[in-house]
This record gives sequence, C-alpha cells and structure tokens, in this order.
Amino acid sequence: KNEVEQSPQNLTAQEGEFITINCSYSVGISALHWLQQHPGGGIVSLFMLSSGKKKHGRLIATINIQEKHSSLHITASHPRDSAVYICAVPLIQGAQKLVFGQGTRLTINP
Amino acid sequence: DTAVSQTPKYLVTQMGNDKSIKCEQNLGHDTMYWYKQDSKKFLKIMFSYNNKELIINETVPNRFSPKSPDKAHLNLHINSLELGDSAVYFCASSQETGGFGNQPQHFGDGTRLSIL
Repeated sequence: KNEVEQSPQNLTAQEGEFITINCSYSVGISALHWLQQHPGGGIVSLFMLSSGKKKHGRLIATINIQEKHSSLHITASHPRDSAVYICAVPLIQGAQKLVFGQGTRLTINP
Repeated sequence: DTAVSQTPKYLVTQMGNDKSIKCEQNLGHDTMYWYKQDSKKFLKIMFSYNNKELIINETVPNRFSPKSPDKAHLNLHINSLELGDSAVYFCASSQETGGFGNQPQHFGDGTRLSIL
C-alpha cells in the first residue's frame, strides 16, 4: 500500500463547480506538496504546507496534521483547471525522498 | 530563462541502444532529482544528488547511470534500453538546506522515452 493515497482518481465536473481533491498519508511529515500536471505534461508546484490553509487565486489547500489528511479545493472551476493534481509527502526517515500519490485527473467541461 | 531545462523532449529509439538525457537548472539549487513517470502517471524517485554527490539510488537497474558534473547539471545515461524503460523522465531541483522536503521542487518539462 502506498504511503500516499488520493481520491478520487478521476473527477469530471461542469464549469463553475466547487472541486475537492483529497489526500491521505500514513507517515509523519514535515510538509505536504500539491502539484499540477498539465495535459502537455509539465509539472508545477502549487502549494507546500505544513499546517492550516493556503490560498492562491481560486485554489485553496488545507491540511490536518493529526488526521494525516489534506484537501485541495478549486472554486469557480474553469476548463483550464483540467489537469492531473498530485499530492506528495517527503519521507524524512531513512532515504529522504518525495513519495507521490497516484494523482487525480480533473476534467472541467464548459 | 527556463528554470529547469531537460533535453531532448522526445526520444524514440530501438531496444538495446544507449541514450542520454540532459538536465540543467539555473536556480542555484543544491539538490537535483530524476523521476520516472509510468503509463499510469505514477511518479517515482530514481536518483537524487546534493552538491554533485549521490544521495538516493532507488533500486534502479545499473543500466541507468546519473552523472552530475556540477551542481547545476544532472544527466541520465541509459545503457541497453529495454521496452520497460518507456516512460516520461522528469528532472527536478530544490534547495534543501535546513531539512528535506520543506522547499518546493521545480520540474523540467519531461522527456518522453519510447522504445521500439
């Protein structure tokens, strides 16, 4: 079982809908990363957070350290938000590396 | 002024060949990575280097040999390519002084490797 699990794996919604993508992890972490992979393939770091909430434009990321859970929300979704969203956590015990969730493929229809 | 650039973007080659992928970052970061993304879009670490020193070698076959001539470059050479090597390979960099995982990673655009 992967240390990082995302849900849902696929999500299709209409333009304007409020979107929530969830990420659960099973290890102690120093921070959690949310990444976006565009249809063209490039990967962009959206957020890195270790507590509370962060907001950037229409994107909001929250984390609950006690429950080992994070959510990525998109308000007023737009077709250009269509992408794969990936959650990642750094393993800090032993080999220090990022461990990734399997990604959530989001499609926003006009 | 691309932050992390890798070349080539596409690589199509025959089984058994040897190929290299180059990566350069102009962010002044001290740590660089190679990741492999399989057909299901799952990302996995292959190697990481910190200031030209190998930190992680994640049970990658020794046909894969990373080389870091300086801390701004991390190249990946692959010998005797196999069908299972077909994937997208991403280079990334970050500044990890002060503890791992607390800084964002910057990714290149990926190299799509197809083995015929």
